[in-house]
Amino acid sequence: GAVVSQHPSWVICKSGTSVKIECRSLDFQATTMFWYRQFPKQSLMLMATSNEGSKATYEQGVEKDKFLINHASLTLSTLTVTSAHPEDSSFYICSAPPSIESANEQYFGPGTRLTVT
Amino acid sequence: QKEVEQNSGPLSVPEGAIASLNCTYSDRGSQSFFWYRQYSGKSPELIMSIYSNGDKEDGRFTAQLNKASQYVSLLIRDSQPSDSATYLCAAEPSGTYKYIFGTGTRLKVLA
Repeated sequence: GAVVSQHPSWVICKSGTSVKIECRSLDFQATTMFWYRQFPKQSLMLMATSNEGSKATYEQGVEKDKFLINHASLTLSTLTVTSAHPEDSSFYICSAPPSIESANEQYFGPGTRLTVT
Repeated sequence: QKEVEQNSGPLSVPEGAIASLNCTYSDRGSQSFFWYRQYSGKSPELIMSIYSNGDKEDGRFTAQLNKASQYVSLLIRDSQPSDSATYLCAAEPSGTYKYIFGTGTRLKVLA
């Protein structure tokens, strides 16, 4: 199946600092990628849709100035958590559809566990 | 508010038995449905997708969809301890490519 990678796999940062998470499609091009967040024992919640060459679209309640998304190329999207606080500690997962033909099938990256101290 | 509901479990079944996982969704406009398996601390892994009413089989897994009842299920035959995980049901409102996930059902297969 299609492979999506994320980097880093885990990160610890101090409150007030910013953290960048990368999401890459390794064997396919993705004009659209999705960013999810998962708190412990909860389900995945869609945060935003990352669009190559245009602005990301954010779900209701997600602060676009806090979670900056840049879809720099057809294989890379980045999520920057700015001025992180302990409540931002979560499991961040990106996903991408592998092809136009399978546009509604999402393959998930391995996730990035963020801990803000 | 579009929702996907699942029983959180845990659902415990003996090894070799059939595990039956259920999911209901609120948005009648949803056309695509997915089952993902998530091991603790890992990201979800796609097991099955289903788009039409009826059954879809893939190996030990069978997905069932009933759009009239807004109900999706996943059957796992010959359950193995390695199947122990949380199973997430997801619905995609038509044309959005955005998934709405249920909270997941934790399955325990007892050796």
